[in-house]
Amino acid sequence: AQKVTQAQTEISVVEKEDVTLDCVYETRDTTYYLFWYKQPPSGELVFLIRRNSFDEQNEISGRYSWNFQKSTSSFNFTITASQVVDSAVYFCALSEAQDFNKFYFGSGTKLNVKP
Amino acid sequence: GAGVSQSPSNKVTEKGKDVELRCDPISGHTALYWYRQSLGQGLEFLIYFQGNSAPDKSGLPSDRFSAERTGGSVSTLTIQRTQQEDSAVYLCASSLGTGVEQFFGPGTRLTVL
Repeated sequence: AQKVTQAQTEISVVEKEDVTLDCVYETRDTTYYLFWYKQPPSGELVFLIRRNSFDEQNEISGRYSWNFQKSTSSFNFTITASQVVDSAVYFCALSEAQDFNKFYFGSGTKLNVKP
Repeated sequence: GAGVSQSPSNKVTEKGKDVELRCDPISGHTALYWYRQSLGQGLEFLIYFQGNSAPDKSGLPSDRFSAERTGGSVSTLTIQRTQQEDSAVYLCASSLGTGVEQFFGPGTRLTVL
């Protein structure tokens, strides 16, 4: 079974629209970490955020915000006022207490932001 | 500072040949990881090295795949007798420890003809 599910394969929005990328995870561990990475067309993955399982506070960083809800096992990512430079593939990942070295990545969501 | 580097950036080989892919992690990072990303897919874990511990090879898809990490730094991923299904981008990452962000290299695009 998939430990991390990103059901949205591809999303297209027009610049300045808000967009939310969904991430649902599955784990039996009570201690775990969740991550988001961005993979622009150039190909190199860029780290965006790490969140531990004990911290459910939402986080905001500029136009980016993350909503972590343990009740629904979700860690969604919202981009406010999207820009063309946000076009990329976004990956959600899970790291569990069983072995924190192993990252389980979702299949990614491709975001197209059109001018 | 220097990030994770990988070489070559592109490799085209013929079916049945062996290939070696190299990864230079960020200096001081104790952990090193290899992933495979097939076209339009997510990242598939292959192997990781953490400090002086035995590597976790649980993600290697077959015994044609092997990896070494010499002196706790540079790593080489070797694929023997390459097959067309091995065609993918091979990504290397490193991190300061466990459960922390991994920093990725630009990848090696392998094409097996």
